[in-house]
Amino acid sequence: DIQMTQSPSTLSASVGDRVTITCRASQSISSWLAWYQQKPGKAPNLLIYKASSLESGVPSRFSGSGSGTEFTLTISSLQPDDFATYYCQQYNTYPYTFGQGTKLEIK
Amino acid sequence: EVQLVQSGAEVKKPGESLKISCKSSGYSFTSYWIAWVRQMPGKGLEWMGIIFPSDSDTRYSPSFQGQVTISADKSITTAYLQWSSLKASDSAMYYCARLRREWELPAGGGVFDYWGQGTLVSVSS
Repeated sequence: DIQMTQSPSTLSASVGDRVTITCRASQSISSWLAWYQQKPGKAPNLLIYKASSLESGVPSRFSGSGSGTEFTLTISSLQPDDFATYYCQQYNTYPYTFGQGTKLEIK
Repeated sequence: EVQLVQSGAEVKKPGESLKISCKSSGYSFTSYWIAWVRQMPGKGLEWMGIIFPSDSDTRYSPSFQGQVTISADKSITTAYLQWSSLKASDSAMYYCARLRREWELPAGGGVFDYWGQGTLVSVSS
C-alpha cells in the first residue's frame, strides 16, 4: 500500500493566519491527491482534487499544490469555520489510502 | 439533490452478523461507484472498498478483503456493507460515499464527492 504521511499532526493557529499542511506519499502518485475536511461528528467534505483543483462551493482561501510525492494544502486566511481535521488521500493506486489527519486547533 | 442516507446505529455482540445500508438518490445510481470508509473511534479514515452498482464490480482493500462484503441493489439504489461474524474491533463509524470518476484513471479511480451521514457500529459482549 502507498503510505500517506501528513505533517504536522496538530496545528495551532489564529483566525486570519495563513497555514500550510503537508502530505507526503511513499511513492509517486502523479497529481492524484485529494484533500478533505472533517468536523467532529460529521462526514468528511471534499475540498481539493487532482492536487490543486478546488471543488465547487469551496471557498477560494483553500488551495492545493504539489505532484509526485509531496503536496500541500494552504488556507490563506483562517476563518472560525476552518478549525477541523484535514485528510489527504491518494487515488493513484489501490487501495486509495488516506493520511493520518491534521487537526487544526484554535490558538 | 444528491443524497446518501445510511441506516441507523447498531449495537451487536461478537459473532453476530450485520448488514448496513446506504440509500442513494438524486443521481444515476448505476453511473457512479460507491465506496465504504471506516473510522475507528478517535482515528483516521480507512478506504475499505468500492462497488459499481451497474454490474456489481467490487474492489476491496487488502486489509478488508474477506472481512466484509460490499454489495448493491440497483432496483432500490442501495449499497450495503455486511459482516458474517462481528468482532469487537469492528466497532467504528462507517461512511458510504459516492465516487466521482477521474476518466484518466482506471475504473474505480476518483474522489468522494458526496458522503452519507455515517453509521455507528458498536460490538460488545
